[in-house]
Amino acid sequence: NAGVTQTPKFRILKIGQSMTLQCTQDMNHNYMYWYRQDPGMGLKLIYYSVGAGITDKGEVPNGYNVSRSTTEDFPLRLELAAPSQTSVYFCASSLTLRGSSGNTIYFGEGSWLTVV
Amino acid sequence: GESVGLHLPTLSVQEGDNSIINCAYSNSASDYFIWYKQESGKGPQFIIDIRSNMDKRQGQRVTVLLNKTVKHLSLQIAATQPGDSAVYFCAGQGGYKLSFGAGTTVTVRA
Repeated sequence: NAGVTQTPKFRILKIGQSMTLQCTQDMNHNYMYWYRQDPGMGLKLIYYSVGAGITDKGEVPNGYNVSRSTTEDFPLRLELAAPSQTSVYFCASSLTLRGSSGNTIYFGEGSWLTVV
Repeated sequence: GESVGLHLPTLSVQEGDNSIINCAYSNSASDYFIWYKQESGKGPQFIIDIRSNMDKRQGQRVTVLLNKTVKHLSLQIAATQPGDSAVYFCAGQGGYKLSFGAGTTVTVRA
């Protein structure tokens, strides 16, 4: 079972560069999420999507963009990388939006991004 | 919104003892809570969840307790094992968004 797959695992970017973090899930989940995790902190929601063609901002969307052209894929784009975007990024998915027993949010393994 | 915080950033436990990890939340409207385990270099893994209409839920070696009066939940791990060493997060959901606490790092001593 692949679950949620993120690439790349590690990346170093120079200030001002752009890149896309890829995320794909094979569980036919409607809902997908991007979180960032700073050292010693909990996860903060960047963007989420409730289905193909629909995305919305989370807590910390500035500096990021997303798209959802298919159910499976939810890429996260950094247009002009800044040192403040150095973080670990997690993609996640779930079957429904509202939490309930059995509706687990599944996380990818994470992408470590350093901006220098 | 929701603010979720953990009481202690670190917890050291003797192997075989029980572990208790605490978490507080601020939003009375939160009606769903999850505990996640995150091992080094990996994404969070679901451990157990509880809805606000319950005050206790048990899984395999884990129990979650919810006290809505004081907005507090805890995760109890029975007979802690070396494989339980990880960072544990509580998360609360009000509306669409899950809010995560900062995490408690649990270290199991042999």
